[in-house]
Amino acid sequence: EDKVVQSPLSLVVHEGDTVTLNCSYEVTNFRSLLWYKQEKKAPTFLFMLTSSGIEKKSGRLSSILDKKELFSILNITATQTGDSAIYLCAVPSGRQFYFGTGTSLTVIP
Amino acid sequence: KAGVTQTPRYLIKTRGQQVTLSCSPISGHRSVSWYQQTPGQGLQFLFEYFSETQRNKGNFPGRFSGRQFSNSRSEMNVSTLELGDSALYLCASSLGAGRFTGELFFGEGSRLTVL
Repeated sequence: EDKVVQSPLSLVVHEGDTVTLNCSYEVTNFRSLLWYKQEKKAPTFLFMLTSSGIEKKSGRLSSILDKKELFSILNITATQTGDSAIYLCAVPSGRQFYFGTGTSLTVIP
Repeated sequence: KAGVTQTPRYLIKTRGQQVTLSCSPISGHRSVSWYQQTPGQGLQFLFEYFSETQRNKGNFPGRFSGRQFSNSRSEMNVSTLELGDSALYLCASSLGAGRFTGELFFGEGSRLTVL
């Protein structure tokens, strides 16, 4: 059965800390892995990863994929209160996406 | 370019009632997917429509149904509501050709509370 597992489920950090969010997957015919950020509304796209070992970066956020070990990590450096959100990992298979349960990140001032 | 629009945004129903939720995808997108989001369960796939045809369905009971119109707008219906149906229902659109690899574009969701 295809599945995506994220850890930790929740995380509370202070501003300025660095966090690492984990996503492991078991999905048939893997093609890509996507990260989304969800505040109190629609999930918004962060990254799409298709190749192992290539880091995607956007400001303080970066992500990398390991296709051999079937996982991805999302790093956030110098966290800010605006980073507080649920971070979702998703892997498409066929005509649907499999989502993890998400990591709820809270950044305390 | 307008994003994905879902209506209504919030609604309260009682057990046994039915509900219809609507989703208008991004212009040009022909695929609409529906997901149920609950705390602890994450996003669970309900179904996906492409060109008015249901292409895939998740593991939900038959009380959950949907359809897509010729303009790609989609509706989902839940009949005989149960307390456990309380959730955020998210609609997502994509171009939809072939197997999914790229980004889904989400609406802001319809939050359903069943009392």
